[in-house]
Amino acid sequence: GAGVSQTPSNKVTEKGKYVELRCDPISGHTALYWYRQSLGQGPEFLIYFQGTGAADDSGLPNDRFFAVRPEGSVSTLKIQRTERGDSAVYLCASSPARGTDTQYFGPGTRLTVL
Amino acid sequence: AQSVTQLDSHVSVSEGTPVLLRCNYSSSYSPSLFWYVQHPNKGLQLLLKYTSAATLVKGINGFEAEFKKSETSFHLTKPSAHMSDAAEYFCVVSDWSNDYKLSFGAGTTVTVRA
Repeated sequence: GAGVSQTPSNKVTEKGKYVELRCDPISGHTALYWYRQSLGQGPEFLIYFQGTGAADDSGLPNDRFFAVRPEGSVSTLKIQRTERGDSAVYLCASSPARGTDTQYFGPGTRLTVL
Repeated sequence: AQSVTQLDSHVSVSEGTPVLLRCNYSSSYSPSLFWYVQHPNKGLQLLLKYTSAATLVKGINGFEAEFKKSETSFHLTKPSAHMSDAAEYFCVVSDWSNDYKLSFGAGTTVTVRA
C-alpha cells in the first residue's frame, strides 16, 4: 500500500518568507508526528497529532512554527518569517494508533532558506 | 526522560566482514528500541524493533540486535557487510510516558570498502 508522502520534496525560499510543508500519512493512521533533521544530526521531535488535535507541540522551536491537521489525515507544517537556521530536512511519520510505537516515515522535505 | 548514545560516529568495514554498531540507551520505563537506516537522499527505513519480547531481535537484510538491560545497550550487528549497507544508522528509543515520541541518537555513518 501507499506509504507516507511529503510534498514538496525540496523547497528553496528566501529569508523572511512563509512556507508550508505537507504530509499525507498512511491511510487510517491516527497518530502523526513531525521531526526536523539538521545536517549531520539525528531527527528531533517537533509536534505530535492524535486525530485532529495537537497532543504535544513541545518540540516546536518558537512561535514561527505551527502545524495543523484539520480532518485528522493530511497535516501541514507552517513556518513564518523563515530564517537561515530553519534549513533542514523536515520528516513526517505516522503510526496506526495511540499507544503503537512503530512509526513509518515519509521521504522528507528538504528546506533551504537563503 | 529518554535518550540514546551512539558510541561511534563513523564505522568503516570491508565487504564480507562483520559490522557492529554500538548503542546505549537511557529510559525511566520499559523502553521500545529501534534501529533505522537512512540511505543518501532517502527516507528512514525501520531495520528492527525491540518491545520486551525476545532480547535478540532479527531485522531485515540480515541485521540483528541484542537488548541487554544490565548494560543498557542495544547493539546492531550483521555477520557479513555488503556494499549496499553503506548508509547512516540511527538508534532510537521511545516509551509510553512520552506518547511514543522517538528520541534519536546522533547516527553512525557506515562505509563499506570493496
